[in-house]
Amino acid sequence: QITLKESGPTLVKPTQTLTLTCTFSGFSLSTSGVGVGWIRQPPGKALEWLALIYWDDDKRYSPSLKSRLTITKDTSKNQVVLTMTNMDPVDTATYYCAHIQSTISPHFDYWGQGTLVTVSS
Amino acid sequence: QSALTQPASVSGSPGQSITISCTGTSSDVGGYNYVSWYQQHPGKAPKLMIYEVSNRPSGVSNRFSGSKSGNTASLTISGLQAEDEADYYCSSYTSSSSSYVFGTGTKVTVL
Repeated sequence: QITLKESGPTLVKPTQTLTLTCTFSGFSLSTSGVGVGWIRQPPGKALEWLALIYWDDDKRYSPSLKSRLTITKDTSKNQVVLTMTNMDPVDTATYYCAHIQSTISPHFDYWGQGTLVTVSS
Repeated sequence: QSALTQPASVSGSPGQSITISCTGTSSDVGGYNYVSWYQQHPGKAPKLMIYEVSNRPSGVSNRFSGSKSGNTASLTISGLQAEDEADYYCSSYTSSSSSYVFGTGTKVTVL
């Protein structure tokens, strides 16, 4: 079965760079059409789409955060890494990674449990 | 891009039907059949309930249905049950940035 799990620091200081890793099983990012995305949710607030990467290394970013985000994949390790630069307290949120089955049907069908990242000095 | 617009809250009694709207533009909801809906219980990860406007994943109750008219998509929950009390989010592809966007979220309360 498909599982995803996010990992990374729980606390980062303002201006630092956040690096989150999504480790998955049950599928391969070398399979045609497959993708992995990142979504975040500040405490008590709505979901926000951040970025996604497809099997062919096609990358998409939220326009409002594009300058701060980088998404990469390591197919051999079954991992997707998201980096976000210049962290600010408003970036405090639970960060989720999720699976996309196909580029022609881009919905998130499996989600990780999420990891809470707090930005504070 | 701007988030899709959803009502902040919707409520209903057990057994009733409720509908949650998701309003966008011709660049997202109105232009593509890539609307999906997610259910989120407190402290839990979101769960896919509807994809491609009206398709239900395996295992999702047929009490959940989706539709679209113009720039507005809708999620209907029929035969409302206590376990349906949760937050619901819509999502759509948007051509304005070749990316995706979520809705503002709707809290469903079962009275």
